[in-house]
Amino acid sequence: EVQLLESGGALVQRGGALTLSCAASGFTFSTYAMSWVRQAPGMGLEWVSALTDNGDATYYTDSVKGRFTISRDNSKNTLFLQMSNLRAEDTAIYFCTKAAYCGPTSCPFDSWGQGTLVTVSS
Amino acid sequence: DIQMTQSPSTLSASVGDRVTITCRASQSIGTWLAWYQQKPGKAPQLLIYKASTLETGVPSRFSGSGSGTEFTLTISSLQPDDFATYSCQHYYNYFRTFGQGTKVEIK
Repeated sequence: EVQLLESGGALVQRGGALTLSCAASGFTFSTYAMSWVRQAPGMGLEWVSALTDNGDATYYTDSVKGRFTISRDNSKNTLFLQMSNLRAEDTAIYFCTKAAYCGPTSCPFDSWGQGTLVTVSS
Repeated sequence: DIQMTQSPSTLSASVGDRVTITCRASQSIGTWLAWYQQKPGKAPQLLIYKASTLETGVPSRFSGSGSGTEFTLTISSLQPDDFATYSCQHYYNYFRTFGQGTKVEIK
């Protein structure tokens, strides 16, 4: 059974930094692209960042470019999201997701973690 | 970026009703579209991918259709477990945007 377990969410001050982790199990982690998706309180889903299976390509939504860094450690089956210069609008639940059923360039998400809450205080 | 627009934002329906949700893309995305269901306090779950392919385990009362820029999610006979928020997402490129979500409420 696929399991994705996020951790690292916290209350942080504006301008601060935080690193989220996602421990994966139940599948061959090193062969799947992974993403982070967030959901602000009462709002819809927002794709944040993606990473290819071997980590050689990364992608970011415009609002986090230059502030967030996605990475992975395939030897430890773990996905990371380093966040810096945090803003109030980064307040959200952050979900770790696994890609599947890929098209030519991209994939939907067939597995999601339960999420970890990041709150940025102003 | 490709924008995804869902309608309606909220839908009130009764058990047994046929429900249709629409998702429009700001440019053609072929059939690279997924639908998710999310219940309060829970993570989203994939329902449909490639516009019309049901994920394993999803009941057959759910169906998806469309291509290009216009897509629909249909629930043929709404069940109590289906009251939730539904979101579309394109995966035409790596910058995968979601629709704003449609909340299906009990009438």
